[in-house]
Amino acid sequence: DAGVIQSPRHEVTEMGQEVTLRCKPISGHDYLFWYRQTMMRGLELLIYFNNNVPIDDSGMPEDRFSAKMPNASFSTLKIQPSEPRDSAVYFCASSFDGRVLDTQYFGPGTRLTVL
Amino acid sequence: AQKITQTQPGMFVQEKEAVTLDCTYDTSDQSYGLFWYKQPSSGEMIFLIYQGSYDEQNATEGRYSLNFQKARKSANLVISASQLGDSAMYFCAMREASGGSYIPTFGRGTSLIVHP
Repeated sequence: DAGVIQSPRHEVTEMGQEVTLRCKPISGHDYLFWYRQTMMRGLELLIYFNNNVPIDDSGMPEDRFSAKMPNASFSTLKIQPSEPRDSAVYFCASSFDGRVLDTQYFGPGTRLTVL
Repeated sequence: AQKITQTQPGMFVQEKEAVTLDCTYDTSDQSYGLFWYKQPSSGEMIFLIYQGSYDEQNATEGRYSLNFQKARKSANLVISASQLGDSAMYFCAMREASGGSYIPTFGRGTSLIVHP
């Protein structure tokens, strides 16, 4: 079975540009999570969805960040406008039913560099 | 207070030896899950092993085992017969049942270097 798929794997952009990160969760998984990883802050949860509905977006840094999940097999994380401090690795993860012993499976990540 | 604490920022081990990576957690829930992930230099997060709070037996998965000590609130990862490919960052995580949200919390990670 295919794992979580993310694209692009690397993104280099200039400050002020719009960036869109994409994720395809594992088929049959009802939960989708977006994380950001930096050296300073470690792994931070940005937002998560259950059955395509955003449940908790309290981790989204500010209004420049938005996330959508139009269907069960696709989600986007958009940054507009991007800033150098947004440079990080962004992970998408999915899990089956979100319960205590439910394992999250991560995508390969998108390494974003904002110049 | 941190929910997951990994006190060892870096660990070194000789190839073929066993190594223990520490993880302590903080929760008042009775029902929770503990997970370990590996992140090699290539960057992906790879799920290794999990333990449920009600499991009486320590979880094992190949060369990985989880030394679960509930009273001490520790969930250490033991890697037996280390291999060069085990060099990576290792993250401990916990999912709690309280609040119905089951959001996992991750530790800051331990860097493991395996020497030949």
